[in-house]
Amino acid sequence: EVQLLESGGGLVQPGGSLRLSCAASGFTFSSYVMSWVRQAPGKGLEWVSDVSGSGARTYYADSVKGRFTISRDNSKNTLYLQMNSVRAEDTAVYFCAKGITYNFDTSGYYYYWGQGTLVTVSS
Amino acid sequence: QSVLTQPPSVSGAPGQRVTISCTGSRSNIGAGYEVHWYQQLPGTAPKLLIYGNNNRPSGVPDRFSGSKSGASASLAITGLQAEDEADYYCQSYDSSLSGSHVFGTGTKVTVL
Repeated sequence: EVQLLESGGGLVQPGGSLRLSCAASGFTFSSYVMSWVRQAPGKGLEWVSDVSGSGARTYYADSVKGRFTISRDNSKNTLYLQMNSVRAEDTAVYFCAKGITYNFDTSGYYYYWGQGTLVTVSS
Repeated sequence: QSVLTQPPSVSGAPGQRVTISCTGSRSNIGAGYEVHWYQQLPGTAPKLLIYGNNNRPSGVPDRFSGSKSGASASLAITGLQAEDEADYYCQSYDSSLSGSHVFGTGTKVTVL
């Protein structure tokens, strides 16, 4: 059974940093793109970032480019999102999601999702 | 602001058919990129309903169907049931944005 378990959320001050983790199990982690998708309170879904199966290729939404870094440790079956210079508009539930291919695919979609971790940016 | 536009809400009585539109442009749906649909109940993660425009994952009732024409896509729910009350999102890819999957603005379905 595929399981994705996010952690690391919490309260962070504007301009601060936070690292999210997503522990994966039940599938060959290194064979799939992994993604972060976020949802601000009462708002819709927003794709944040993708990382290829090897970790060599990364992709970001313009809203987080240069501030967030996605990475993965295939030996630990864990996905990360390093969030720097956070802003109030980064407040959201962050979901990790399993892709369907090894590399980024324009046809990509998400069958498996974690339960999400809440990040609140506030002073 | 999303490049895929959905109506904020749709409603229907039990047993009725409702449709949700997802309007894009030449850089996303109109360019031939596939459309996928998700259902999200309050406080839970999204659930994949339709992938590749019109394919249902195993376990999704055949009351849910997807279609695509030009720069738009639609999700139809027939035989509406109380448990269908949820938020629904379309998703595709947009070539005008850097390496970007995009989600629709979302639609709240209310069962009257």
